[in-house]
Amino acid sequence: QEHLQESGPGLVKPSETLSLTCTVSGYSIGSGFFWGWIRQPPGKGLEWIGTIYHTGTTNYNPSLRSRLTMSMDTSKNQFSLSLTSVTAADTAMYYCARSEQQLPENWGQGTLVTVSS
Amino acid sequence: DTVMTQSPATLSVSPGERATLSCRTSQYVGRKLAWYQQKPGQAPRLLIYDASTRAIGIPARFSGSGSGTEFTLTISGLQSEDYADYCCYQYYNWPPTFGQGTMVDIK
Repeated sequence: QEHLQESGPGLVKPSETLSLTCTVSGYSIGSGFFWGWIRQPPGKGLEWIGTIYHTGTTNYNPSLRSRLTMSMDTSKNQFSLSLTSVTAADTAMYYCARSEQQLPENWGQGTLVTVSS
Repeated sequence: DTVMTQSPATLSVSPGERATLSCRTSQYVGRKLAWYQQKPGQAPRLLIYDASTRAIGIPARFSGSGSGTEFTLTISGLQSEDYADYCCYQYYNWPPTFGQGTMVDIK
């Protein structure tokens, strides 16, 4: 099955923008499926962030919608997340995943993002 | 949002015995309920979807049941590799939501 790998800065300052990229190998993201992000604050439960369909259509968690943008670059087989105006509450392990509709099926290993000055 | 309540928070089970985990949803979710296993430092792994369908490669000792608002994950004959966190996830209502998890540890 396909392999997903998250990348991005591990440290972001408060009020700045958190940007992460997920690189997919073994499957062309423009061919199908939903591609999404999930996060897990330290010691807490998982939170669904959103998905982007292979056509570019997005679905965002309403709690994050005002700060969130997801995009995809099929030429690089990557999809990305941008979260603006971050606070300490955005500190979390961020996972990307290939989803069937809104069901995450195959996950990346995750990347820890800390929001701190 | 649909609140997912898992019980117990921690379940101590001896190897070879059965573990029964519960997930209750605050709203009707039909059978759009999944279970994930998560081990320290690893990504969650999909075990069960649509309440009772095992994902590819998942052993038959994992089974799911329930519908509506009450769901159960059963692990029959617990093996050493099964000691982990388990969380439920609903994808019927918007936005999708996860439970807080049940930790299964060695008794």
